[in-house]
Amino acid sequence: EVQLVESGGGLVKPGGSLRLSCAASGFTFSSYSMNWVRQAPGKGLEWVSSISSSSSYIYYADSVKGRFTISRDNAKNSLYLQMNSLRAEDTAVYYCARPRDGYDYWGQGTLVTVSS
Amino acid sequence: DIQMTQSPSTLSASVGDRVTITCRASQSISSWLAWYQQKPGKAPKLLIYKASSLESGVPSRFSGSGSGTEFTLTISSLQPDDFATYYCQQYNSYRWTFGQGTKVEIK
Repeated sequence: EVQLVESGGGLVKPGGSLRLSCAASGFTFSSYSMNWVRQAPGKGLEWVSSISSSSSYIYYADSVKGRFTISRDNAKNSLYLQMNSLRAEDTAVYYCARPRDGYDYWGQGTLVTVSS
Repeated sequence: DIQMTQSPSTLSASVGDRVTITCRASQSISSWLAWYQQKPGKAPKLLIYKASSLESGVPSRFSGSGSGTEFTLTISSLQPDDFATYYCQQYNSYRWTFGQGTKVEIK
């Protein structure tokens, strides 16, 4: 059974940093690109970042470019999102998701709240 | 970035109704379109991919159609479990973008 489990969310002050993790199981993690998608409270879905299976290709939404860094460790079946210089508008539930045709598997999400 | 526009934003319907949601892309995305259902506090669930292919395990009352810039999601006979928010998403470019969502409410 495919499982994606996010962790690392929490309350952080504006300008602070946080590192999210996503533990994958039930599939050959190293064969898949992976993405982060977020959803602000009461709002729609926003793609945040993508990383290819071997980390050769990495993309970011303009809203996070220069502040967030996506990475992965295929030996540990894990995906990461390092978030720096956090802003109030980064407050959201962050999901890791497996892209296939669309996202066929999602984690349960981890809430990041940026507030003083 | 490719912009995705859904209509309507909110839809009130009754159990048994046929429901149609429209999604328009700002440029052609061929058939690289997915539809999701999301319930409060839960992750989205993939319903349709490649515009018209039904994801495994999804009831056949859900169907998708369209290509290029115009797409529709149809629920043939709305069931109590279908009251939720629905999103379209394009995956034609590496920056995958979503529509703003359509909330299907009980009439």
